Amino acid sequence: AQSVTQLGSHVSVSEGALVLLRCNYSSSVPPYLFWYVQYPNQGLQLLLKYTSAATLVKGINGFEAEFKKSETSFHLTKPSAHMSDAAEYFCAVTRTDSWGKLQFGAGTQVVVTP
Amino acid sequence: DAGVIQSPRHEVTEMGQEVTLRCKPISGHNSLFWYRQTMMRGLELLIYFNNNVPIDDSGMPEDRFSAKMPNASFSTLKIQPSEPRDSAVYFCASRGGTTGELFFGEGSRLTVL
Repeated sequence: AQSVTQLGSHVSVSEGALVLLRCNYSSSVPPYLFWYVQYPNQGLQLLLKYTSAATLVKGINGFEAEFKKSETSFHLTKPSAHMSDAAEYFCAVTRTDSWGKLQFGAGTQVVVTP
Repeated sequence: DAGVIQSPRHEVTEMGQEVTLRCKPISGHNSLFWYRQTMMRGLELLIYFNNNVPIDDSGMPEDRFSAKMPNASFSTLKIQPSEPRDSAVYFCASRGGTTGELFFGEGSRLTVL
């Protein structure tokens, strides 16, 4: 079975500072990995995805993530935080060998301070 | 292109009443998922369909919950009878590509008094 662990349920970052959200996955087969963002009172929106092509994946709003198989990690980064980045972020994993369910992490709430 | 459409956006009901949540997936998508989100339990997958057929309903909490997908463009999630602990945001999501990503609706916020 697949699973993801997000380290830190809350992260506070200053505007202009680096955003780093950690995600580690567990999967018995090669995974597809995703980061989603949820703004208040909205659904989840895809930020980026890893689908076994390039290990460094660029997404929307200046975010990127790197797939590291040796570390079973898929951490999300953004060089310079903006106030509009305040939201909840979810890491998710699914198997590549069947179209089953997407397993989500518990989420990380990001607060951006001026 | 329209995204996943859910209705109602907000529902307030009394314990014991029947609740029906509706979802229209993105046209051409062949998989549909129902999730529940609460502060305590986060995002939980309730059930998902492939080509209108339920594949995995192991996340449905109990017999009070049921879901149907009569055709490729419509699904319902029904709770009968509803209880206060069912209060949550219910999300519908659809998938149609080859890389597993889901597209989510805006959610239906259910409050059971």
